Amino acid sequence: KAGVTQTPRYLIKTRGQQVTLSCSPISGHRSVSWYQQTPGQGLQFLFEYFSETQRNKGNFPGRFSGRQFSNSRSEMNVSTLELGDSALYLCASSTPGPSEKLFFGSGTQLSVL
Amino acid sequence: DQQVKQNSPSLSVQEGRISILNCDYTNSMFDYFLWYKKYPAEGPTFLISISSIKDKNEDGRFTVFLNKSAKHLSLHIVPSQPGDSAVYFCAATSKTYDKVIFGPGTSLSVIP
Repeated sequence: KAGVTQTPRYLIKTRGQQVTLSCSPISGHRSVSWYQQTPGQGLQFLFEYFSETQRNKGNFPGRFSGRQFSNSRSEMNVSTLELGDSALYLCASSTPGPSEKLFFGSGTQLSVL
Repeated sequence: DQQVKQNSPSLSVQEGRISILNCDYTNSMFDYFLWYKKYPAEGPTFLISISSIKDKNEDGRFTVFLNKSAKHLSLHIVPSQPGDSAVYFCAATSKTYDKVIFGPGTSLSVIP
């Protein structure tokens, strides 16, 4: 079974631009979560989608948005980029259930200049 | 307000000795806890988990202990190996929470 695939692996943008990141979950997984990783802050929860519906959202500004398609693939979008948005963005998929064991992709490293 | 805390940003241990990574949580609704390991340039991978109905779970060299009254858990690695050098994230969730909350991570270095 293929793992979670995130594209692109690296992105360089300038302040004010917008960016779209893509995530393809493991086949059969219908839940996709997004996390932001920055040094010292660990993994900060952005949002979680299940069956095309956002089930949960973290404490991020409205510039961060996402969506999920009928094939469970997900995208997240960041508009009006700021320097502080530079981070590793991780996508994880899971089968819904009490264990919530997440399977992560390798992430997209976003640098905002 | 961090609901999952890992107060040691880094830890250094000699090969063959025990590594103990600690984690504290504040939300008493959490009833399922996980540990993930992350190497540079890779996504985190699941290591071991424990339900709140247990106080210990073991998987090979890895053991997780849970003290519910203290809202504290720890991961023991015995014996530590150089390949264990990575960042370890503690995470927590519950049946009603619909999201997994991670701590800031502890960077473990196992010195040969």
